[in-house]
Parts: sequence; C-alpha cells; structure tokens
Amino acid sequence: SQKIEQNSEALNIQEGKTATLTCNYTNYSPAYLQWYRQDPGRGPVFLLLIRENEKEKRKERLKVTFDTTLKQSLFHITASQPADSATYLCALHSGGYNKLIFGAGTRLAVHP
Amino acid sequence: DTAVSQTPKYLVTQMGNDKSIKCEQNLGHDTMYWYKQDSKKFLKIMFSYNNKELIINETVPNRFSPKSPDKAHLNLHINSLELGDSAVYFCASSPGGQPQHFGDGTRLSIL
Repeated sequence: SQKIEQNSEALNIQEGKTATLTCNYTNYSPAYLQWYRQDPGRGPVFLLLIRENEKEKRKERLKVTFDTTLKQSLFHITASQPADSATYLCALHSGGYNKLIFGAGTRLAVHP
Repeated sequence: DTAVSQTPKYLVTQMGNDKSIKCEQNLGHDTMYWYKQDSKKFLKIMFSYNNKELIINETVPNRFSPKSPDKAHLNLHINSLELGDSAVYFCASSPGGQPQHFGDGTRLSIL
C-alpha cells in the first residue's frame, strides 16, 4: 500500500543548529515533492518544490534533497531560529491534476 | 489583502444538521481544493475544481457536495452531519499545477 512517513512527530533542537527533517515514501513515483510549513491555527504555507530530476533545491536557509532511489526527501534548516518552530509537512504529487498526498508532519521546536 | 479566505472560522453544530463552508480566493488562480485535516493532523484531499469543473473527487461520502459558482469561489456543503465529520477543513487554490495557497481553515465541531 502507499505510505508517506515523516521521521518523527517532534524534533527539538538548539538555536543555531541545523534541523534535518525526513520524508520517506513507498509505492509512489512522484513527479515532484513539496514542503510546507504550518503554524498552529493556520493553513499550510508553501516553502519549496523539488522535481524528480532534481537532486537539491535551496532557498535562503532552507535546503531540500530528493532521492528517488531511496524514496526519500530531506529538508534542512540551517542556523535555526526560534521563529522556525512550526510543523513541517511534506507532500507528494500523486498523479492526476496537482493531486497532493501529505505526510502527517514533523513538529519542530527550536530552543534559545 | 487575504488571498484565500474561508468562512466561518469556527462552526459548532448538532449531529444531523446541514451546513456550508464558503471559500473565496483573490489570486486569480484557476484551480481550487478542499482538504480535511483530522485529529491526527493528516491533511487529505477531498475535491478539486479547475475552471469550475470537478477534476479530483476522492472517496468522500456523498453527504459532502462541493459547488463552484465561479473560478474564485468553491463552497462545501455537508448534509446530515455526523460526529466523524469533526475536523478542520482547508480550502486552497493554485495556478494550474503549481504550489497551493491555503486558507486558515474552518474548525467544525459536531455535538
């Protein structure tokens, strides 16, 4: 059966460190993968998109990798700040017209 | 300047009632979506419309009926509400197959 797993429900790190979040999937062949940020009581906000033929994408302190052989995406936040504390969702394109399948999310807490 | 707006933000109602949630986007996008986020925080696609045409229709009870009067609006009507319908419902929009812009959700609680 198809499955998307994000590494842990919660991740606690110290300010200034690099946060690494994992998204693993089985029985999908996504054309692209997206990462979103969700704050409590708010809707998800798009961060980065990476296509199946791309290995890595960067945007400011954010970096995403995509390994279609391992069926895994890693999401990195360098020089993390308390303001980065939120839930991060990975979403796979699941065929059809921009149909996204979301993981359950990882709640990141960055401590001063 | 709200991009995707949903009303109401909170909806508390009794089992068996019928209710509607409205969604409007001012981004000029041609595709709109409805998602359900349950207590375990999984965000699941329910429906999607492109230029007022239904293009994604997941396995959702037929008590749920989306209506798109124009490209900027996608409403969700729910008949005979059940306890299991309690969740946060998110509307989203995108320009074709591009990343989606979400509203802030409607929290539906069934008593």
